[in-house]
Amino acid sequence: EVQLLESGGGLVQPGGSLRLSCAASGFTFSNYAMNWVRQSPGKGLEWVSTINNSGSSTYYADSVKGRFTLSRDNSKNTLYLQMNSLRAEDTAVYYCAKVEVRGAVLASLDYWGQGTLVTVSS
Amino acid sequence: QLVLTQSPSASASLGASVKLTCTLSSGYSSYAIAWLQQQPEKGPRYLMKVNNDGSHSKGDGIPDRFSGSSSGAERYVTISSLQSEDEADYYCQTWGTGVVFGGGTKLTVL
Repeated sequence: EVQLLESGGGLVQPGGSLRLSCAASGFTFSNYAMNWVRQSPGKGLEWVSTINNSGSSTYYADSVKGRFTLSRDNSKNTLYLQMNSLRAEDTAVYYCAKVEVRGAVLASLDYWGQGTLVTVSS
Repeated sequence: QLVLTQSPSASASLGASVKLTCTLSSGYSSYAIAWLQQQPEKGPRYLMKVNNDGSHSKGDGIPDRFSGSSSGAERYVTISSLQSEDEADYYCQTWGTGVVFGGGTKLTVL
């Protein structure tokens, strides 16, 4: 059974930093690209970032480019999102999601975690 | 620009059928999309991928009551024999230079 478990969320002041983790199990993690998607309170889904299966390529939404860094450790089956210079508008539930197609960078997202809440407030 | 458009809300009666629509922006009518369901206070759940020819492939454990289809730039998910647990937000998702989501449709089961 595929499982994605996010952690690391919490309350942080504007300008602060936070690192999110996503522990994956139930599939060969190193074969699949992974994503972070966020959802602000009462709003829709917003793509944040994608990393390919090897970790050699990353892609970011304009809203987080230069502030967020996505990485992965295939030996630990874990995905990371380092978030710096946080703003109030970054407040959201952050979900990690697996790409459906082995080896593809961008595709449908077929498994999602339950999310971790990040609140940016003074 | 790749954009997905969804109606904000839909409603249908318990036991009836409903068809939700996701429209691809001009120039992108050949793109496949995925349908996601998000029940209250839960993470999204993958329902299916719908191709431009109307073929679709469902995710693990998705009931036969859910089906997909396509016409031109429109992609659909039809839910038959509506149940109370189908009341949820439904999002479509596609991909180009990045991942793109529609704004979501809130389905109310009457």
